[in-house]
Amino acid sequence: KNEVEQSPQNLTAQEGEFITINCSYSVGISALHWLQQHPGGGIVSLFMLSSGKKKHGRLIATINIQEKHSSLHITASHPRDSAVYICAVPLSGGGADGLTFGKGTHLIIQP
Amino acid sequence: NAGVTQTPKFQVLKTGQSMTLQCAQDMNHNSMYWYRQDPGMGLRLIYYSASEGTTDKGEVPNGYNVSRLNKREFSLRLESAAPSQTSVYFCASITSGGNNEQFFGPGTRLTVL
Repeated sequence: KNEVEQSPQNLTAQEGEFITINCSYSVGISALHWLQQHPGGGIVSLFMLSSGKKKHGRLIATINIQEKHSSLHITASHPRDSAVYICAVPLSGGGADGLTFGKGTHLIIQP
Repeated sequence: NAGVTQTPKFQVLKTGQSMTLQCAQDMNHNSMYWYRQDPGMGLRLIYYSASEGTTDKGEVPNGYNVSRLNKREFSLRLESAAPSQTSVYFCASITSGGNNEQFFGPGTRLTVL
C-alpha cells in the first residue's frame, strides 16, 4: 500500500507570500492528485499529474517521479486560498482501486 | 449536469440503528468510491466499484456494505451503526483507471450517538 506524507501540516502566511506544500509517497505511481477542501466544504480536484509541471492561474504543481515527491506552489497568495490542501496517490500505484491520501496541509492566508 | 450527488447531507443515528447513504453521478463514470474523513486521519477508502456489477473492499470496510445499483448509483449501508462510524462520508467517481480526475460529492456528516 502506498504511504503519503505531507508537510507542513499547518501553514500561516501573509497575503502575497509564495507558498509551497510538499508531498512524498512510497510506491511508484501512475499519477498524483492535488485536492482542495474549504472549511465545511466539499473536495475539489486541483491537479492530476504524472510528470513535470502543471499550472492553473496562481497554482503550480510539480512532480519528480524518481524521487517520489511533488510540490504545490501558490504565487501571490490571497485570503481566499485559505483551505486544506490534500495530496493523493493511487492505493496500489495505479488502476481503479481508489486513492490513498495525505493528512492535508491547513493553509491560512492573513490579509 | 449535477456531477456527484449525495443524500442525506446530515444524519444523526443511535447506536445499533441502520441507514443507507445514497450516491449518484450523471457523468457516465465507470468507477465509484466511498471514503470516510476523520480528524487527523485523512480520507480513507471504505469500498469501491471499478465498474457496474463489481464491488471491492478498501482500507476500512468493516461495518459497511455497498451496492452498485446501476452505472449511476452506488450506495453505502451501515447495518448496525457504532459511535466509531461517526465521520464525514464522501462519494467519488472517475471515468476509468486511476489516471483520471476524481469528482467528489458534497459529503454526508454522520453522527452516531
